[in-house]
Amino acid sequence: GQQLNQSPQSMFIQEGEDVSMNCTSSSIFNTWLWYKQDPGEGPVLLIALYKAGELTSNGRLTAQFGITRKDSFLNISASIPSDVGIYFCAGQEDFGNEKLTFGTGTRLTIIP
Amino acid sequence: GAVVSQHPSRVICKSGTSVKIECRSLDFQATTMFWYRQFPKQSLMLMATSNEGSKATYEQGVEKDKFLINHASLTLSTLTVTSAHPEDSSFYICSARWDGSMERNFGPGTRLTVL
Repeated sequence: GQQLNQSPQSMFIQEGEDVSMNCTSSSIFNTWLWYKQDPGEGPVLLIALYKAGELTSNGRLTAQFGITRKDSFLNISASIPSDVGIYFCAGQEDFGNEKLTFGTGTRLTIIP
Repeated sequence: GAVVSQHPSRVICKSGTSVKIECRSLDFQATTMFWYRQFPKQSLMLMATSNEGSKATYEQGVEKDKFLINHASLTLSTLTVTSAHPEDSSFYICSARWDGSMERNFGPGTRLTVL
């Protein structure tokens, strides 16, 4: 099935650093969602974006819906140990089609 | 609110047996539920869309006779892996959307290991 390309694939950072990851697609999406998945658990929704150009924050997290509707980015400021996990973007192509396409994931590791 | 649960969280079975996984929306009604499969270190891949009271819609390459989906009520969908084989070992995750929202929540997943 179709997948969204996420980069980077993995990140190794120190606590306190800012993090930036992005997601790109060859198709237009009308909704972008960002999820975090901890080992052995289901994904948890972090931020939902519904309009091109939209910039939304959730605490230390900020995400933007690209103007072309083919990309999105997620920033995490001042990372803390509990930020460790895998981050997935997900896109919904149109409002009448409920299918979510998931990105390839970005694995975040914090170096002590 | 909008909690999705799955049962069991983990199951180990012998090759050739069938395994049923339940997905429940605990505090809302879900007309539509989704079943995903996730292999180690990979992303989530949609298997099928489960609609209450009607047949599920399967993604290309997913065998509907092997992965039986039943959405008998607005709060329960079940996935049965029939005649399971070791290659069916995976992490199965369901999600549900509540009416009036564009968002959907995911269950905690079920780890299936087929020996």
